[in-house]
Amino acid sequence: DQQVKQNSPSLSVQEGRISILNCDYTNSMFDYFLWYKKYPAEGPTFLISISSIKDKNEDGRFTVFLNKSAKHLSLHIVPSQPGDSAVYFCAAADAGNNRKLIWGLGTSLAVNP
Amino acid sequence: EAGVAQSPRYKIIEKRQSVAFWCNPISGHATLYWYQQILGQGPKLLIQFQNNGVVDDSQLPKDRFSAERLKGVDSTLKIQPAKLEDSAVYLCASSLVGGPTEAFFGQGTRLTVV
Repeated sequence: DQQVKQNSPSLSVQEGRISILNCDYTNSMFDYFLWYKKYPAEGPTFLISISSIKDKNEDGRFTVFLNKSAKHLSLHIVPSQPGDSAVYFCAAADAGNNRKLIWGLGTSLAVNP
Repeated sequence: EAGVAQSPRYKIIEKRQSVAFWCNPISGHATLYWYQQILGQGPKLLIQFQNNGVVDDSQLPKDRFSAERLKGVDSTLKIQPAKLEDSAVYLCASSLVGGPTEAFFGQGTRLTVV
């Protein structure tokens, strides 16, 4: 049972446009959400996070939106750059389970010049 | 600041052989994690250490996998005997405090079992 779902395996956008990556979750005990970026042959790197008490967090070109009632979060990248091409993982921390991270399957983003 | 170091980067072994991976976390990070990432999936937590104590090993196949973190710094993960389905990337990560928020990952060890 996939508690964190990234339903789009891949996404392709033009350089300069907005990239929107989506993530849905099922466990209402999740209280912290993170996005990681992963390049080939490297480990994931932390990108941005959001607490369940907020609905938006922004860091430069990256913004994460959280809709708790819909159990949905999204990562917006504006403007998209070719260097953003990577696999993006959504992860959620379970407050009642040692804050263990549950990961989605990832979305492969390709930003075309 | 040095990142999380892992070795080896790649390993190919035959099934039923044993293998060990090594991880050196970021200096001062009390929490260390081992993840298994199978191709096309997200990372799955195998074990989490807080200093040299185990916090969570609920998803570690203890009949064949073992891990230790002596002196609360370096860690090793061992598989004995390996199975074909153990082929994956094994990621080590560390964080300052408990809870894997904003953990820093190593480059991983890609294991192929043939």
